[in-house]
Order: sequence, then structure tokens, then C-alpha cells
Amino acid sequence: EIVLTQSPDFQSVTPKEKVIITCRASQSIGSSLHWFQQKPHQSPKLLIKYASRPFSGVPSRFSGSGSGTDFNLTISSLEAEDVATYYCHQSSTLPRTFGQGTKVDIK
Amino acid sequence: QVQLVESGGGVVQPGTSLRLSCAASGFTFGSFGMHWVRQAPGKGLDWVAVISNDEIDTYYGDSVKGRFTISRDNSKNTVYLQMHSLRTEDTAVYYCARDTLGYGGMSDYWGQGTLVTVSS
Repeated sequence: EIVLTQSPDFQSVTPKEKVIITCRASQSIGSSLHWFQQKPHQSPKLLIKYASRPFSGVPSRFSGSGSGTDFNLTISSLEAEDVATYYCHQSSTLPRTFGQGTKVDIK
Repeated sequence: QVQLVESGGGVVQPGTSLRLSCAASGFTFGSFGMHWVRQAPGKGLDWVAVISNDEIDTYYGDSVKGRFTISRDNSKNTVYLQMHSLRTEDTAVYYCARDTLGYGGMSDYWGQGTLVTVSS
């Protein structure tokens, strides 16, 4: 099973600040890494697929990068509506796995 | 638009069974694999199972293998999760999600979830 480790676990930032969340895989997964956003009391929503491809309708302030074992999700300028928990997810092998989540809050 | 609506959750006792359903609309259901993912209260996401579009292939997470069964009825645009021998640690919101392929892709659209509480 591929283990995904996110850092940090929690980040408190001021509006318009840049946010970078890292996801590290326990073995190479190519670009089969995806990012989800889950707002309180909502289901997860896909943000970035295959490491760097924005999903339909996702604001341009969200971007992804990386390949192999190391990946980043960047929010270029945080807005209040971005308060959420962010999860990375791999589709390289079964069983599918998720990172533990990174909670982003407004300072 | 893609819509997934889960149902069947509730409060059950340990050791009992429950069947969840996920009704799909807005896309050609029989062309896509389907997943179940769960989330215990206050915890992260835990992948449960996947079924291929043609029902031939299934795969389960270790924590549910041998107790849960995923199935689908393409004539009813519905995927199911039959859960047996439920444990307190199975308490979670259960989401269904669409695969981007017939099997082996990634999940793009998710439902709103249904809560299963296992408690005596």
C-alpha cells in the first residue's frame, strides 16, 4: 500500500498569503496524484488531477506540481472561502490511498 | 450535471448488516467505475472499495475485505455497498464517487454522503 504523507497538518494564514501544501508518496507514483478540497460539512471536491491539471471550474489561484514521490498544492493568494481541509490522493495502485489532510485556516 | 445521491445509512448495532445505495444521474453510468470512500467523525478519508463499469472487477481496502461487498445495477444506475459484521470502527460518513475510467482511473465527482453509526 502506498502511504501519502502531507505537511503541514495545519496552517493558519492571513488573507492573500501564499499557501504551499506538500504530499510525499512512499514510492514513485508518476503523476497519479490528485488534490481534493473539503469544506466543513461538505463532501470533497476535486481541485487538481494528475499532479498539475486543474479540474473544471477551479479558480486559477490553485495549482499543483510534482512527480514521482514529491508533490505540492499551491494557493497563490488565499481567500476566506478557501478555509478547508486539503487531501492528496493517489490512483497509481490499489488500494487507493489518501494523505492525512492539511487544515487551512484564516489568521 | 453529474449527480450522486447516497442513501441507506442509519444507526445499527455491532455485528449486524446494512446496505448502502448510491443513485447516479447526469452521465452514462455503465461506462464508469464507481468507488466507496468513508470518513469517520473528525477524521480523514478512507478508501473502501471500487467496482468496474462492467461489474467484473472489484477491489477492497484491507479494513473491510471479507465483510463488505460492492455491487452495481447498471439498469438502475445504482451502486451498492453491502456491509456485514459491522464494527464500531465502521462508524463514518460513506461517500460514493465516480471513477474517470471504466476501472483504474481516479475519482472526480462525489456524492454528499450517508452516515452510518454502529453503536450498542
